[in-house]
Amino acid sequence: DGGITQSPKYLFRKEGQNVTLSCEQNLNHDAMYWYRQDPGQGLRLIYYSQIVNDFQKGDIAEGYSVSREKKESFPLTVTSAQKNPTAFYLCASSTGVNLDEQFFGPGTRLTVL
Amino acid sequence: GQNIDQPTEMTATEGAIVQINCTYQTSGFNGLFWYQQHAGEAPTFLSYNVLDGLEEKGRFSSFLSRSKGYSYLLLKELQMKDSASYLCAVRETSGGGADGLTFGKGTHLIIQP
Repeated sequence: DGGITQSPKYLFRKEGQNVTLSCEQNLNHDAMYWYRQDPGQGLRLIYYSQIVNDFQKGDIAEGYSVSREKKESFPLTVTSAQKNPTAFYLCASSTGVNLDEQFFGPGTRLTVL
Repeated sequence: GQNIDQPTEMTATEGAIVQINCTYQTSGFNGLFWYQQHAGEAPTFLSYNVLDGLEEKGRFSSFLSRSKGYSYLLLKELQMKDSASYLCAVRETSGGGADGLTFGKGTHLIIQP
């Protein structure tokens, strides 16, 4: 079945460590996105990629980095420079055609101790 | 930039109808999306509007007025499983169809028996 996967579902890290969150899709979508969700807050866009080997900063890119070496994969690295990394991270993908919907993965809940 | 407002929480009765409002301010509008999100899960797509008017999909309908910067999601014949957060999201015309969305903080809908 086609879909978008994120792993792991729960992740714990010590403060000061970099951590990479996985996002894979087999929907043949060109565009992929990373959002962060905090309690009582809406989803906020971190980075997005419209095509392989290209990506743009979203509204809150500081302290994060991404790569898009393959169409299927869009990993997000949370660096030690991110001041409040504990959050629910959601990856999404879309065809990239105007007005198409974004499909979301199940999310990774990152807790930094 | 964009500003999206929706009520924080609403309560409704099983079998009834509820309307969730969303107002937005944007420099260039290119579509409004509604998503449903159950606690701890990924958002799932409900509807989108790009032109003024009502879009109906079974028990769910969404309305848009671009001149007023206003949308609503209408849920009919409410069921207990409709208890969830409902997210309003807007896409701007700044780029192509693969740009990220800007989300409101979500409306937590509680269905009572």
